[in-house]
Amino acid sequence: DGGITQSPKYLFRKEGQNVTLSCEQNLNHDAMYWYRQDPGQGLRLIYYSQIVNDFQKGDIAEGYSVSREKKESFPLTVTSAQKNPTAFYLCASIRGDAGRTEAFFGQGTRLTVV
Amino acid sequence: DQQVKQNSPSLSVQEGRISILNCDYTNSMFDYFLWYKKYPAEGPTFLISISSIKDKNEDGRFTVFLNKSAKHLSLHIVPSQPGDSAVYFCAASAWETSGSRLTFGEGTQLTVNP
Repeated sequence: DGGITQSPKYLFRKEGQNVTLSCEQNLNHDAMYWYRQDPGQGLRLIYYSQIVNDFQKGDIAEGYSVSREKKESFPLTVTSAQKNPTAFYLCASIRGDAGRTEAFFGQGTRLTVV
Repeated sequence: DQQVKQNSPSLSVQEGRISILNCDYTNSMFDYFLWYKKYPAEGPTFLISISSIKDKNEDGRFTVFLNKSAKHLSLHIVPSQPGDSAVYFCAASAWETSGSRLTFGEGTQLTVNP
């Protein structure tokens, strides 16, 4: 079955620590995205990558970093510079045909800073 | 700058009646629109989409209407069922030089009462 896998589902981090969220897809999509969801807010774009070894900042990239060494993988690192890291993080891969863009999401990772 | 807005954070309807969820956008470059459904602690799932060259798209109980002149789209669910209770996100995409990206609204919590 093709899909997107995020791990872990729940993650706890101490203040001052970096933590990496995993996202893997076997849909053969070129584009992958990271979103953050906070209570009462929509999905805000952190980083996205249209192709291997290339990525762009989204609307709230500060305090985050990514890499895209393989087409299937797009890990997100939440650094100690991120002021409010507690949130629900969603990874998506996007099928971007001309005139049609559809995102397929993973199940999400709930990050809590303790 | 919120380019996609869902002004109603919540909506409550009776089972069997129509649910109408609304979405407004400001970017005239958006050319593809989607609705996603999301349950707590899960990733959003794709529901229905519409291209900017159309004004209506129907899929079973779900119909999306697009009014380009008003920069407004709506999702109609008829008849509404208790299982439809979830958060609904409106999303829009525009092709950029760096590829296509999806911009989401804040979401509307739909509650369908038995």
